[in-house]
Formats: sequence, structure tokens, C-alpha cells
Amino acid sequence: GAVVSQHPSRVICKSGTSVKIECRSLDFQATTMFWYRQFPKQSLMLMATSNEGSKATYEQGVEKDKFLINHASLTLSTLTVTSAHPEDSSFYICSAPWTGGGDIQYFGAGTRLSVL
Amino acid sequence: SQQGEEDPQALSIQEGENATMNCSYKTSINNLQWYRQNSGRGLVHLILIRSNEREKHSGRLRVTLDTSKKSSSLLITASRAADTASYFCAPETSGSRLTFGEGTQLTVNP
Repeated sequence: GAVVSQHPSRVICKSGTSVKIECRSLDFQATTMFWYRQFPKQSLMLMATSNEGSKATYEQGVEKDKFLINHASLTLSTLTVTSAHPEDSSFYICSAPWTGGGDIQYFGAGTRLSVL
Repeated sequence: SQQGEEDPQALSIQEGENATMNCSYKTSINNLQWYRQNSGRGLVHLILIRSNEREKHSGRLRVTLDTSKKSSSLLITASRAADTASYFCAPETSGSRLTFGEGTQLTVNP
């Protein structure tokens, strides 16, 4: 079946550094991808919609300068957490709608970010 | 887009028993999807039911949809310990944009 690959699965960084997370659709093209954030034992919060070839659409309350999204190709979207701080520590997940029909989405395995 | 609200928040059953989870939403939908999340992992799509369908089966899963009540249910029959996970519903209105509720944490005890 279709697979979405997310990398890295785990990252630990110092406060003030920037972290890039990649989301790839492996056997289908994705003009749109979605980025979510999840705190422990809570739901996924939609952060933004990544659009290939154009600017991302951010949800209300999400800082676009903090969470930079780039969707440079039909199979790759990246989320960069800039100048990360401990409060940015969370589980980040991407998803891509399957373009082969059926309206389902495939999710990456997630990235656990820990900012010290 | 709108999120679904799952109920109960937590459910603990014995292996072999059936598990029923409910979902409510607020506005008209194109379809409603159920996803599963194992701890610390991404979501896995389980089943999609369209607004013109009332019931759908997939293996041990049975999903119902009542658009008049704006509600859906997910039934897992003959549960197994491996079914332990969080389950989320996602009503879709348009544009593939899904938002999720708090989910139901299902624990199946061996």
C-alpha cells in the first residue's frame, strides 16, 4: 500500500537550534500534505496545510515564522521548527491524501522532538 | 473542517469481547473516517464510510453512520490484545482536511 515516510523519528536538540522534519510520499504524488502536532495523551492538532508550489496555509494560532513549511516537490514536504524552545517539544506527524481515489490519508510514523 | 468527538474517552475490555466507540460531529459531511494510533506512532486508516452509506464492514470492524443524528460508531468484534490503541474519527467536509477529537483509548486485556 501507499506509504508516507517521515524522518527523523526522534530528535533531541538544544534550545535555540532549528530542526527540519521531512515527509515523503513514497509511491504516489501529493500536491497537498498536512502537518499535525500532538501532545501526550491528546489529540492531533492540525498545524498547517502544505501546498506544492505555493505557500502553506496555517491554522489559526500557529506561527508561520516559527514553523516553516516547504513543499518543493510532489513527494516532499518539510517542516522546520526554527529557534526551538522546550515548549516546542512534541510529537509532529505529517499526512498525505491518497491520490488513487478513496479519500483516505496516509500518515507518517511521526517525529518526537525534545528540546533541552 | 470540523472535528469529531469520540466517546468514551477510555474503554477497557477483556480479550474476546466486543468494543464499541462512538463519534459525534456538528455539520454535514462527505464522509467519515476512522483511524487508529498505536502509542508513539502515526495514524493508520481503518475504514471510510460515505454520507450515503449507513453501515460498512471490514474484517472485524463494523462502522455505522447516522447522518440525521450526526453520529457514527465503530464496533470491533472479538477483540484482541493487539487492538489496544487510540481510535479517532474524522468527519470530512471538503478538501481532505481532517481534524481529530480526543480519541478513545481502548485497552484490551489478555
